[in-house]
Amino acid sequence: QVQLVESGGGVVQPGGSLRLSCTASGFTFSLYGMFWVRQAPGRGLEWVATIAYDGSRYYADYLKGRFTISRDISKNTLYLQMNSLRTEDTAVYFCAKDAGYCSTPNCYFMDVWGKGTTVTVSS
Amino acid sequence: QSVLTQPPSVSAAPGQKVTISCSGSSSNIGNNFVSWFQQLPGTAPKLLIFDNYKRPSGIPDRFSGSKSGTSATLGITGLQTGDEADYYCGTWDSSLSGYVFGTGTKVTVL
Repeated sequence: QVQLVESGGGVVQPGGSLRLSCTASGFTFSLYGMFWVRQAPGRGLEWVATIAYDGSRYYADYLKGRFTISRDISKNTLYLQMNSLRTEDTAVYFCAKDAGYCSTPNCYFMDVWGKGTTVTVSS
Repeated sequence: QSVLTQPPSVSAAPGQKVTISCSGSSSNIGNNFVSWFQQLPGTAPKLLIFDNYKRPSGIPDRFSGSKSGTSATLGITGLQTGDEADYYCGTWDSSLSGYVFGTGTKVTVL
């Protein structure tokens, strides 16, 4: 069955960096877009970034270039490189798989989610 | 700050029906497909509805979705205690070139 497992979360000081990983199994990783979504403590869901099946990348405006989404198809792994971390980046970070129903981002949606990994930015 | 607005909470007795609205604009709901997600306490979100009204396999027909103009609605009939969760709408925003979620609605079974 389709499974997504995030890792790499932890405690980091403001201004620091962290790389999250999401290992995928149960589907042909290269054929599907992937998402990162985060949830701050007690808050709602917030989209972070998307990498489409063709490698196109989309980012939330508020990130201002601090995060980079990437993937290693040979390892079935999705990454989120997070730089210049701020206290407001503290959240649970989920990876999710696009359903793959179409090739344009306007019909992308998340059909399978991982359990999440926790990132805490604190001095 | 989310561009999709949902009521903070809705409630009803077991067996009753609730509806959750999701209000957006022409750049998101008005011209793109809407999904709905359920998040049980302490767990990851789960897809409930996609393409405005379609249910993934395994989702009971107690859950329904609809869309009209720049608003979407999730309906839950035959409410059960296990339906207590946070519910989020989501869609692509063509102006932002990004995905947007609703503010979230907490469903309470009285």
